Amino acid sequence: AQKVTQAQTEISVVEKEDVTLDCVYETRDTTYYLFWYKQPPSGELVFLIRRNSFDEQNEISGRYSWNFQKSTSSFNFTITASQVVDSAVYFCALGDWEDQKLVFGQGTRLTINP
Amino acid sequence: EADIYQTPRYLVIGTGKKITLECSQTMGHDKMYWYQQDPGMELHLIHYSYGVNSTEKGDLSSESTVSRIRTEHFPLTLESARPSHTSQYLCASIPTPGSGGNTEAFFGQGTRLTVV
Repeated sequence: AQKVTQAQTEISVVEKEDVTLDCVYETRDTTYYLFWYKQPPSGELVFLIRRNSFDEQNEISGRYSWNFQKSTSSFNFTITASQVVDSAVYFCALGDWEDQKLVFGQGTRLTINP
Repeated sequence: EADIYQTPRYLVIGTGKKITLECSQTMGHDKMYWYQQDPGMELHLIHYSYGVNSTEKGDLSSESTVSRIRTEHFPLTLESARPSHTSQYLCASIPTPGSGGNTEAFFGQGTRLTVV
């Protein structure tokens, strides 16, 4: 069975601190996708990144970076120099290669305090 | 920018009412999905479709039903709403593989349903 675990239910930091959101997944598939989505208070899901299972290259996009380690089945997300606008719920998701059905983690509520 | 729309955004209805949540996308995507999000945040797949006249149940059992008569339209219906159906419902679509698009799901803004 496929499963995604985000062990941190809530994180609260002061603005400008770096923060890492953890994501661990379980799957028997050899090919799959991994995603991160942001959900602001308005409720929509905003796509942040997609990774294919055969692409372990880490990625940086501005203040955001992602560390994919297949050996530990982890896909962690780091925000550098956090800002109040980063406050949201963040979801990690595992996507089926054929159907693109998504299995979501429980979400991490991130609060950035001024 | 994704073109996928859900209506209504918010809905408060009484127990026993029949409701339909609308989802439309203008991108010509074949694959569409409905996810239910509990008040406690977790999202679960309840329905999906590979194209016209194709509908499948997702991982989470749901009393709702869906239809796919047109590519762009994937409505979700509750014949008799109950308080346990109170949730947010998110619709998504994905480009057809090989169409040149990415494979991330584009999500609508969601419908927050409250059954009283």
